[in-house]
Amino acid sequence: DTGVSQDPRHKITKRGQNVTFRCDPISEHNRLYWYRQTLGQGPEFLTYFQNEAQLEKSRLLSDRFSAERPKGSFSTLEIQRTEQGDSAMYLCASSFWGADNEQFFGPGTRLTVL
Amino acid sequence: GENVEQHPSTLSVQEGDSAVIKCTYSDSASNYFPWYKQELGKGPQLIIDIRSNVGEKKDQRIAVTLNKTAKHFSLHITETQPEDSAVYFCAASTNAGKSTFGDGTTLTVKP
Repeated sequence: DTGVSQDPRHKITKRGQNVTFRCDPISEHNRLYWYRQTLGQGPEFLTYFQNEAQLEKSRLLSDRFSAERPKGSFSTLEIQRTEQGDSAMYLCASSFWGADNEQFFGPGTRLTVL
Repeated sequence: GENVEQHPSTLSVQEGDSAVIKCTYSDSASNYFPWYKQELGKGPQLIIDIRSNVGEKKDQRIAVTLNKTAKHFSLHITETQPEDSAVYFCAASTNAGKSTFGDGTTLTVKP
C-alpha cells in the first residue's frame, strides 16, 4: 500500500499523559499536513511541513502540541499533558507541492482522553 | 482567514436521483476547491477537485461547478447509488496549500 499511513489508529489515554502519533506520507510527497477533526465537523488545519521545515502553525496548536518532520519523510505529532478537549481524530495528509498539490489523507488516529 | 460554509448538513435521496451539495467561501485568494468523501472510521478521500481557472469539471457521475464571482461551488452526483452514502466535505485552499473545510453533508441514498 503506497498511501498515507498513520500509527496508531486508536489511542486511549488518561488526562495528563503525553501521546505521540506518527504519519508516513506518500513517498514522493514533499508537503505534510496535520488536521484535527471532531465529531460532526470538518477537519481543522493544525500545521504543515514542506520537506523538514514547519511552515505554518494554526492558533489551535497550543504550546502543548509539537510536530516534527526531522528528515523530511515521516512526521510525529506529540501532545503533552493531554486534556479531555484533545479527544478527536488526528488526520495526516500529504501532497506534492509544485504539481497539483492534491492532498491525500491517511486513515487518522482517534484519540480518547479519559 | 478563510471561512467555508456548506449546505445542507443532511441530504436524503432515492437511489437513482441526483444530489447537490453547495459551498460558499470568503477568501477571494482561494484558488483550489477539492471535494472529499468520508466513510465511517476512515480518512477523507479526494473524489474531485476544481481550480479557479475552470468553471466546471465532470468525472463520470460526479461534477463540480465553480462561480468565482459569487464565491460558491457545488458538487453534483447523478444516478445516486447506496454506496454513495457517506459524509461529503468541500474545502478551499490558496497557494499556501492548507485547506479550510466545510462542516460536511451526510448523504443517505435509500434503495
